[in-house]
This record gives sequence, structure tokens and C-alpha cells, in this order.
Amino acid sequence: ETGVTQSPTHLIKTRGQQVTLRCSSQSGHNTVSWYQQALGQGPQFIFQYYREEENGRGNFPPRFSGLQFPNYSSELNVNALELDDSALYLCASSLLGGGETQYFGPGTRLLVL
Amino acid sequence: RKEVEQDPGPFNVPEGATVAFNCTYSNSASQSFFWYRQDCRKEPKLLMSVYSSGNEDGRFTAQLNRASQYISLLIRDSKLSDSATYLCVVTFSAGTDSWGKLQFGAGTQVVVTP
Repeated sequence: ETGVTQSPTHLIKTRGQQVTLRCSSQSGHNTVSWYQQALGQGPQFIFQYYREEENGRGNFPPRFSGLQFPNYSSELNVNALELDDSALYLCASSLLGGGETQYFGPGTRLLVL
Repeated sequence: RKEVEQDPGPFNVPEGATVAFNCTYSNSASQSFFWYRQDCRKEPKLLMSVYSSGNEDGRFTAQLNRASQYISLLIRDSKLSDSATYLCVVTFSAGTDSWGKLQFGAGTQVVVTP
């Protein structure tokens, strides 16, 4: 396995609520990227953190925010949840970022009702 | 137009047969290319990188055609365990707005039948 862990594995929320998803990167990796995968689609890049700083962002609204901690673990926060936020949220860890192989965690499956 | 496009399939393949499928990309600044495999309700896993000269890993062969902006994956002697969705992935060079992100296609589903 990749050594990347995510929690929780599943989550059910209602519209308007807020959610925090967590990711622990592989040992030795300093970069975490977050992706959203809707049913039947490929993963879409949300943002990336490198050494605790945001290092690139995809086309997601500001209600998607993140953090990276000194141990390189990371959080994804989503405010004001919408039905379309229902998806599999994947985090991927890598070394240095930028084109190197990214290793994915098992994902958090979020359902917004 | 999507930046990375794949035939969604499904490609129904008899066990032991060969299957091949392509992925096209629109951004000529694309630098690196990969195939990932995703099993149902699981995370994507790196299958192989794709090099300009073409590369092979066991029964899997990947090709890159930069002039026509497509990559391909060929699976020989298909096994039941090859049933999965194959995701085409493109990355970009440092200095571009997209540096650091993986750009995924929507995936090609392969179903290997006994």
C-alpha cells in the first residue's frame, strides 16, 4: 500500500454544513494534493500544499480551503456544503511536487443530502 | 473541449485477448504522462509512466505521440484481474499555472470476460 491514510472513510452531511477531511502523507513526502472525484468522472484537482504553503489551486470556489501541518499531514475543509459536493475526495502525497509520482490514499466518500 | 479525453468504454475483452485504447490531450505544454488504474470504489494507482520512446511493463505497453497529442495503452493476454478503469494522466512543467497538478481523463472502463 501507499502509506497514505485518510479519515473518515465515509461521511454524510446535509446542505449548508461544513466538513473537514484529513490526510496523512507517506513518510518522507512533503507535498499533499487534494482531488475531487464525482461519480463517473476522473479526479479533479482542488489544490496542493508544499511545506505548509498552498502551491496551486484548481477551479474550486473559496469555500474549499486547506491546511498543511509541520508533519506534512493535511486537511481539506468545505464550507456551506452543496449537493454537488457529493464525491470521493482523494489526497495524494509526493516528494517536492510538480510532476513526480503522486500516491493516493483510499479516499473519503462524502454524501451531501 | 476537455483537456484530457478518453473513450469511456466499456471495452469488453475476452480473457487472453489484446485490448488497446487511446487518450488525447489538448495542452501542448503537457510534460509528463501516466496511466493510472482504478478499481471500483478504490483509489487510483499508478500503472506506468509513458515515455516518448514508448515503454513496456510486462503485458502492458504505453506509447506517446507528441505530434498528434495522444497516448495509448495496450494490454496483451488480458486477465480477469485487468478489469478496471484506466485513467490517463497529464502533468505540466514547472513555471506553468498547472505545475504540480495531475490532470485526469474520465477513464476508460475495461471488462475482461471468461
